[in-house]
Amino acid sequence: SQTIHQWPATLVQPVGSPLSLECTVEGTSNPNLYWYRQAAGRGLQLLFYSVGIGQISSEVPQNLSASRPQDRQFILSSKKLLLSDSGFYLCAYPGQSTGELFFGEGSRLTVL
Amino acid sequence: QKEVEQDPGPLSVPEGAIVSLNCTYSNSAFQYFMWYRQYSRKGPELLMYTYSSGNKEDGRFTAQVDKSSKYISLFIRDSQPSDSATYLCAMRDRGSTLGRLYFGRGTQLTVWP
Repeated sequence: SQTIHQWPATLVQPVGSPLSLECTVEGTSNPNLYWYRQAAGRGLQLLFYSVGIGQISSEVPQNLSASRPQDRQFILSSKKLLLSDSGFYLCAYPGQSTGELFFGEGSRLTVL
Repeated sequence: QKEVEQDPGPLSVPEGAIVSLNCTYSNSAFQYFMWYRQYSRKGPELLMYTYSSGNKEDGRFTAQVDKSSKYISLFIRDSQPSDSATYLCAMRDRGSTLGRLYFGRGTQLTVWP
């Protein structure tokens, strides 16, 4: 069966510090992978998606970047965090035939 | 205009009530429709999945799609306090990248005992 893991689950970072969030998927090969952000009281905002190693599509210009160094690994990064980067970050992969998304447990980021 | 509109609520109902959650959309190419449930501080989990128009029932949950009106609904019968969560609708069209979904903002539901 397929599983998705995200870490860290929670982190508190000062403004201007770097960020690295990691997502890995098991039980599937070369899945499309997605990063979403959910700010407090807001909906899901698509940040990046990847259809393969080294292939990144950015949906919203911002202070973040993404990388896909391995088939089942998706990383979200920032060189210098802003207060507005606070939120709940979710990684997801789709069902292969039907396209519904399966989400990880999320990483909650607070920038102070 | 956003592609998917959903009233954020909050919606508060007594235990045992029938809950109706709704979304409207503007893109007539959407063909796949989903409802997710998200508990506080957790990732969304898929609740219902439907293709094109019609109804789908799963236990206490019924999903309806009316493509002519660009309107989808989720009904919860005999609501329970454990149903308290945020419910998000999502949809996609046949030609989009696999997994590329368009989400509503989510409706926060509280079921009180």
